[in-house]
Amino acid sequence: DQQVKQNSPSLSVQEGRISILNCDYTNSMFDYFLWYKKYPAEGPTFLISISSIKDKNEDGRFTVFLNKSAKHLSLHIVPSQPGDSAVYFCAASLYNAGNNRKLIWGLGTSLAVNP
Amino acid sequence: DTEVTQTPKHLVMGMTNKKSLKCEQHMGHRAMYWYKQKAKKPPELMFVYSYEKLSINESVPSRFSPECPNSSLLNLHLHALQPEDSALYLCASSQDLARSKWRLFFGSGTQLSVL
Repeated sequence: DQQVKQNSPSLSVQEGRISILNCDYTNSMFDYFLWYKKYPAEGPTFLISISSIKDKNEDGRFTVFLNKSAKHLSLHIVPSQPGDSAVYFCAASLYNAGNNRKLIWGLGTSLAVNP
Repeated sequence: DTEVTQTPKHLVMGMTNKKSLKCEQHMGHRAMYWYKQKAKKPPELMFVYSYEKLSINESVPSRFSPECPNSSLLNLHLHALQPEDSALYLCASSQDLARSKWRLFFGSGTQLSVL
């Protein structure tokens, strides 16, 4: 049961344009959402996060939007740069039955920004 | 210093070998994690240490044995692995388990091949 879904395995965008990466979730108990970026043969790097009580968080070229009623979040990158080419993972956090915080990952979207 | 350092970067071992992966951070973080990642998949949590005590074991086979000698160091001892254990092993740290909300700092990983 995939609780965090990234339905687009890949996305290709022209340099300078907007990249929009989407993520859907099924569990309304998630209270915190994060985006990680991963280059090949490296560990993921934290990019941006949003609390479930907010609908938008912005950090430079990166903005995350949360639509709780639709259980949907999206990451906008404006303007896109070739160095943004990487795999982007959406992840969501909640407390499980044992009162431990768990992080549930999506399968990732591979973004290619073409010069 | 915002780095998590993992050694070695690459490791090839036979199924009868014993080896260890090492991880170090000097950010004062009190939670440290081992993840396993296969190609085109999200990271898969293995173990979490909180204040040098094992807090989460995600039902990992006993051929993987974690150790946290102090708050800066995390080891993963490997013994009698199987070829299907070949993967990128990632170490991560966070401020602590409760407050960090899973904002993790990852190392670059150890690419393990089991022959």
